[in-house]
Amino acid sequence: DAGVTQSPTHLIKTRGQQVTLRCSPKSGHDTVSWYQQALGQGPQFIFQYYEEEERQRGNFPDRFSGHQFPNYSSELNVNALLLGDSALYLCASSRKPGTPKPYEQYFGPGTRLTVT
Amino acid sequence: SQQGEEDPQALSIQEGENATMNCSYKTSINNLQWYRQNSGRGLVHLILIRSNEREKHSGRLRVTLDTSKKSSSLLITASRAADTASYFCATDGRAAGNKLTFGGGTRVLVKP
Repeated sequence: DAGVTQSPTHLIKTRGQQVTLRCSPKSGHDTVSWYQQALGQGPQFIFQYYEEEERQRGNFPDRFSGHQFPNYSSELNVNALLLGDSALYLCASSRKPGTPKPYEQYFGPGTRLTVT
Repeated sequence: SQQGEEDPQALSIQEGENATMNCSYKTSINNLQWYRQNSGRGLVHLILIRSNEREKHSGRLRVTLDTSKKSSSLLITASRAADTASYFCATDGRAAGNKLTFGGGTRVLVKP
């Protein structure tokens, strides 16, 4: 049973570029949440997707967008990259609210994004 | 912004000693969870305590929750070098679906 997978592992981009990160949830999960973790900080919630729609959003600008596919996998897109976007991006999968134990979230290994 | 604050920010102990770290949060919660993170990798779930529970054990881990003080503590007994990691508390609030709000973490170094 594969856990949460993320790709790529590492990524280096230049300011102003755009980036797409990918996440596949754990088998049996239908909800994907994205978190940004700056160096030395705790993760911060970006947004959450289930049923192919954005359901909750944290305090992040519109440059951060996402998508969920019918197979429950998800993408995080960041446009017009800033130096401050350099961080570890974590994906977590879970079950959607209203189902058993939706609070159990399993995290992927993360994608380390460096913006130069 | 972070919901929780963790204390201490860093902790250095000898192998075999106990490690205690604390987490405070601001709003009502459904659950509080503790996660471990090794060297900037993914988060590993350690233990979950519900808002109506006061104490929970899992192996060498003991978690307490005091909802009147909006605080939790994680105790790791008989620490090992492999326990060296960052530890984070995370809450999911009653009005926030299952979105997790994390504290800033405690960096624990266990010296052999």
